[in-house]
Amino acid sequence: AQSVTQLDSHVSVSEGTPVLLRCNYSSSYSPSLFWYVQHPNKGLQLLLKYTSAATLVKGINGFEAEFKKSETSFHLTKPSAHMSDAAEYFCVVTPHSGNTPLVFGKGTRLSVIA
Amino acid sequence: EPEVTQTPSHQVTQMGQEVILRCVPISNHLYFYWYRQILGQKVEFLVSFYNNEISEKSEIFDDQFSVERPDGSNFTLKIRSTKLEDSAMYFCASLGRTTSTDTQYFGPGTRLTVL
Repeated sequence: AQSVTQLDSHVSVSEGTPVLLRCNYSSSYSPSLFWYVQHPNKGLQLLLKYTSAATLVKGINGFEAEFKKSETSFHLTKPSAHMSDAAEYFCVVTPHSGNTPLVFGKGTRLSVIA
Repeated sequence: EPEVTQTPSHQVTQMGQEVILRCVPISNHLYFYWYRQILGQKVEFLVSFYNNEISEKSEIFDDQFSVERPDGSNFTLKIRSTKLEDSAMYFCASLGRTTSTDTQYFGPGTRLTVL
């Protein structure tokens, strides 16, 4: 079975400072991992995905994440936060292939302070 | 860029009433999904659909729920007799291929409020 633990329910950073959103996963298979973002009253937008290629994955809006199998982690980072990054971020896992449901973490709310 | 669309954006209904939530997946996609997010909670899988039948469903997807693809483009979720606890945001998603490089694309969601 797959599961995801997002270690922080809320992260607050100042504009221009680095962002770190932490995610640990559990999977019986070689997983695919994703980060989705949800802005207020909006749908879920894919930020980036890991699918067994390069372990450092670059996404949209300057975000990136590194797959670390030894630590079962897939933390999301950005060098410099922007006000528009304020949103809810979900770490998601699914088995490597197949028509299988996505398993979501509980989400991390990112606040960006001016 | 192709996108998944959902209607309505917000549905208010009385307890016990039937509701139908509609989704138009990306046109060449073959796999379809419904998820829901109760306010303040995580997104949960409800059901997946392929080749005109349910592939997998969660414990949440009981006999009150049904899905269909009536006309080859729309994908609908019906709740036969709504309960207060059905109030949630419902997301539709579609997938083109089941390869490791493909991704489920989500619609903007329908907020269902049961009074």
